[in-house]
Amino acid sequence: ELKVEQNPLFLSMQEGKNYTIYCNYSTTSDRLYWYRQDPGKSLESLFVLLSNGAVKQEGRLMASLDTKARLSTLHITAAVHDLSATYFCAVDIGGTSYGKLTFGQGTILTVHP
Amino acid sequence: NAGVTQTPKFQVLKTGQSMTLQCAQDMNHNSMYWYRQDPGMGLRLIYYSASEGTTDKGEVPNGYNVSRLNKREFSLRLESAAPSQTSVYFCASSHLGVGNGYTFGSGTRLTVV
Repeated sequence: ELKVEQNPLFLSMQEGKNYTIYCNYSTTSDRLYWYRQDPGKSLESLFVLLSNGAVKQEGRLMASLDTKARLSTLHITAAVHDLSATYFCAVDIGGTSYGKLTFGQGTILTVHP
Repeated sequence: NAGVTQTPKFQVLKTGQSMTLQCAQDMNHNSMYWYRQDPGMGLRLIYYSASEGTTDKGEVPNGYNVSRLNKREFSLRLESAAPSQTSVYFCASSHLGVGNGYTFGSGTRLTVV
């Protein structure tokens, strides 16, 4: 059974600081997704990582995938208040489960002035 | 550009009542999904439909049924609602093989009393 674990689950940051959210998964996969969710809202796609070593950046967020370590990271650079949200990673292990996502628990990020 | 549309947005049911959650997408995606979101648990897959005419169980299918009415529409039915089905339900769609990720609807907040 695939397990996807994020840490930390809660992250309180000061504006301007850097931090990393980690996403570990238990079964081989080369498809990993990052989503953002604002309170009471739907999920917004941030990054799609489809191969080992994939790195994608958008603004202050950068995501990477290491399939050998079964690890993805979401790095936040110089955090701003607008980044406050819940961040989820999700894994697709392919094969007979192709297309079915297993989500991590989510990381609640709060950025303080 | 509507994307994925879910109805209703909110619903309160009494234990034992039935209801159907509706989902429609206008992106010509072949695959559609139903997830539920509970606090601290991320999203869990209830049912999915890889293509029109096919459906399959996800991680938590008990107490639910689905219908893939056509390529656009995928409904989720609760035959006899239970308090344990109190949750936020998200419909999603994707075009498998393209690697563009998944698009989520705005969610249905369901309370069973």
